[in-house]
Amino acid sequence: GENVEQHPSTLSVQEGDSAVIKCTYSDSASNYFPWYKQELGKGPQLIIDIRSNVGEKKDQRIAVTLNKTAKHFSLHITETQPEDSAVYFCSVTTQGGSEKLVFGKGTKLTVNP
Amino acid sequence: KAGVTQTPRYLIKTRGQQVTLSCSPISGHRSVSWYQQTPGQGLQFLFEYFSETQRNKGNFPGRFSGRQFSNSRSEMNVSTLELGDSALYLCASSLNRGAGTGETQYFGPGTRLLVL
Repeated sequence: GENVEQHPSTLSVQEGDSAVIKCTYSDSASNYFPWYKQELGKGPQLIIDIRSNVGEKKDQRIAVTLNKTAKHFSLHITETQPEDSAVYFCSVTTQGGSEKLVFGKGTKLTVNP
Repeated sequence: KAGVTQTPRYLIKTRGQQVTLSCSPISGHRSVSWYQQTPGQGLQFLFEYFSETQRNKGNFPGRFSGRQFSNSRSEMNVSTLELGDSALYLCASSLNRGAGTGETQYFGPGTRLLVL
């Protein structure tokens, strides 16, 4: 089945710096790549997504890039703020009969003031 | 519009018991998915329901089951609880086709289950 690797597992940055989280996937047929943010005591919240016909998407301080050939995609957060501290999950749709989301193991981002 | 709600938020059970968790999707959403979240395994897909029918199922034993009602509300049941079932159980809803087809999925706050 689909396998999603996410790195790093923890990331600590200074306020104002950029943060980059990377994911790789195995199923070349996957075509939808959402990113979720999970704060303590809450469920995951969709922050940005990208589809396979797009190479990059940006929403204010958050951007996602996708390289379908290499089967990897990345989340970029610029000008980080303390409220960006959370666990971030990448995810990928599977295809071929059992359509579902498969998640990476998560990255705990800490933004230090 | 109200978000996805889950009840109860916290639950303590003992081994061998069974438990039922409830999820109310966003109004108008017809697809409901369930996930188990643990520190070791992360977020794992349990099953998805649409129009009262199970559409997809993850790799969990038959002790895990679910159903969906005509108003799209869903329940999941775990029978013969084991210590390893301790986890955060998350419900997510989407409009029609489900997250597996690229439709945006919205998560509830989860039910934290502790099995002693």
